[in-house]
Amino acid sequence: DAGITQSPRHKVTETGTPVTLRCHQTENHRYMYWYRQDPGHGLRLIHYSYGVKDTDKGEVSDGYSVSRSKTEDFLLTLESATSSQTSVYFCAISELRVQGPQHFGDGTRLSIL
Amino acid sequence: ELKVEQNPLFLSMQEGKNYTIYCNYSTTSDRLYWYRQDPGKSLESLFVLLSNGAVKQEGRLMASLDTKARLSTLHITAAVHDLSATYFCAVEPNTGNQFYFGTGTSLTVIP
Repeated sequence: DAGITQSPRHKVTETGTPVTLRCHQTENHRYMYWYRQDPGHGLRLIHYSYGVKDTDKGEVSDGYSVSRSKTEDFLLTLESATSSQTSVYFCAISELRVQGPQHFGDGTRLSIL
Repeated sequence: ELKVEQNPLFLSMQEGKNYTIYCNYSTTSDRLYWYRQDPGKSLESLFVLLSNGAVKQEGRLMASLDTKARLSTLHITAAVHDLSATYFCAVEPNTGNQFYFGTGTSLTVIP
């Protein structure tokens, strides 16, 4: 299994509070991704990174920011959480830019009340 | 807007039967991926299809890709209970490096 650790695994917080999710990998892969999974939508890309300090937006990036200061860590921040951001968040990594599978972490279940 | 449509969304089938899950997409792509997800778990990579006519098989599952029809299929042969899970296809457009996932097919195999 790919060495991907997401933390925390579960979090309950209130609307308006900041939240940071962490993804840590031990595979030294260049590419890292944050997705959210919601019923009826499959997985949707929030942001991705193609190297240290190099990030770009996915299809549902509004309300989220990311940072990558080290190869192994990719942080997802909700500056002011809203109830619509209640979801399961998955981190993924890949070795190749294209034509390679992405490998997923175990997910973070985030509830915003 | 890029669309990836899977059908059926829900599938209940008896053990020993055969069935096919379909994944249609709306962009030019010869890169398609299939994943499996058990309830409350992560996604597991099943197949990587990287060219027109590609066919991959693993156990009772076989995946194929027809890039001209923009269609991939996941065929299940002689289903067993252990195959119960949600299956996702993901398309990687030729002009980009992002994955676009289908909504998933929830498969239940009944004894």
